[in-house]
Amino acid sequence: GENVEQHPSTLSVQEGDSAVIKCTYSDSASNYFPWYKQELGKGPQLIIDIRSNVGEKKDQRIAVTLNKTAKHFSLHITETQPEDSAVYFCAPMNTGFQKLVFGTGTRLLVSP
Amino acid sequence: DAGVIQSPRHEVTEMGQEVTLRCKPISGHDYLFWYRQTMMRGLELLIYFNNNVPIDDSGMPEDRFSAKMPNASFSTLKIQPSEPRDSAVYFCASTPNARVEAFFGQGTRLTVV
Repeated sequence: GENVEQHPSTLSVQEGDSAVIKCTYSDSASNYFPWYKQELGKGPQLIIDIRSNVGEKKDQRIAVTLNKTAKHFSLHITETQPEDSAVYFCAPMNTGFQKLVFGTGTRLLVSP
Repeated sequence: DAGVIQSPRHEVTEMGQEVTLRCKPISGHDYLFWYRQTMMRGLELLIYFNNNVPIDDSGMPEDRFSAKMPNASFSTLKIQPSEPRDSAVYFCASTPNARVEAFFGQGTRLTVV
């Protein structure tokens, strides 16, 4: 099955700084790459995704970049704000198997 | 739509008792996933269904765990007998197909004492 790792496991930044979280996967057939955000006491929620025919996607302060050759993709958050504090999960998927498996998670703390 | 609805939100039970967690997916969603979340093991996929049929239950930890989906609008996850190590937050999620966003419920926090 898919082996998914995220780094770092925890990340502390000052408000206004940038944050980058990396997700490494093992299945070379993966073709869909979403990132989810989980706030305290809630279920994960999709914040951005990318498909294998695209190298980068941006939505306001967040972006995702994909390196299929190296089998990793990254979440970039610019101008971080305290409300960005949460746990972030990647979930690379081979849509042929349609199985949604999450990475190990990264706890982001943005200090004012 | 009210989103994915899970019940109960909190459950406290004694070791050895049967526990049933419930999930109502978003109408029209063909896929339903059950997850368990703990600090130690993160967010683990237990089982998922497509059109009410279990597709992959390889994540179910042991025979004490069972899941059913009798119709498109209802699923249960049962633990019998429950043990303290089953204490976790259990999430249900649904998606119209596996290639787009999955929507999660608020979760059920289970405590087995």
